[in-house]
Amino acid sequence: AAGVIQSPRHLIKEKRETATLKCYPIPRHDTVYWYQQGPGQDPQFLISFYEKMQSDKGSIPDRFSAQQFSDYHSELNMSSLELGDSALYFCASSLSRLGYVGSTDTQYFGPGTRLTVL
Amino acid sequence: GESVGLHLPTLSVQEGDNSIINCAYSNSASDYFIWYKQESGKGPQFIIDIRSNMDKRQGQRVTVLLNKTVKHLSLQIAATQPGDSAVYFCAVRGSYNTDKLIFGTGTRLQVFP
Repeated sequence: AAGVIQSPRHLIKEKRETATLKCYPIPRHDTVYWYQQGPGQDPQFLISFYEKMQSDKGSIPDRFSAQQFSDYHSELNMSSLELGDSALYFCASSLSRLGYVGSTDTQYFGPGTRLTVL
Repeated sequence: GESVGLHLPTLSVQEGDNSIINCAYSNSASDYFIWYKQESGKGPQFIIDIRSNMDKRQGQRVTVLLNKTVKHLSLQIAATQPGDSAVYFCAVRGSYNTDKLIFGTGTRLQVFP
C-alpha cells in the first residue's frame, strides 16, 4: 500500500539558511500534519492542514511556515535556521471520516526528514 | 497544559514473555488514543488505536486497554519477539475539535533471548 512520502530524507544546512521539506500524503488523504522530533524526544506537533486550509497550530516557530497545495502535498518552509532546529521532521496524513476537523482517522507517518543545521 | 506520560523509560523482557507498556494522560476530554512503534531512524508506525467509547481493543498479538476513570492507557504485547524491540509511544488526541496528537514520552522495549 502507498505510504506517506517525504523529501529529502536528509538535509544539511548552515545557520541562517533556509530549508524546504516536502510531504506527499497517502492518496485520498485530505489532512496533513507536521511534527518535529528532537534527539531522544517524543514528536511535537507543529501544524496541520485540512483541505488546503490550516486546521491547527502547535509550537511552530514564526520562522517556519507551511502550506498544503491543490494536490494535497504539503511543504514546510524553514528560514533563519538555528542549531536547535536540527531534528527529525515527520509528516503524517489522515482521512477525515466525517469531513471536518476532529473526525480524522488514524494518522500515518512518513519516514521523516533528518535536518542537520551546522 | 495537556500532558501524556509513560511510567517507565525502558522495559526489558525475555523473548516469549508478555510485555505491558503503560501511559497516563491528563485531559479528560481526549477521545482518541493511538499506540505507535518507532524503530531507530524511522517514522512512527501505527500499531493499534482505541476510541473513548471503548475500554479494550485487540489486534494481532496486541491489546490496548483504556481506563478513562483514571486516565490510563496500556499496550499489551503477547509473546514478545526480538522484532518488537523499538520505542513505543502513546499518542492522544486532545478533544473533538482537533486532530493533532500529543505524544507521551517513549518507552524503549528491549527483548532479550
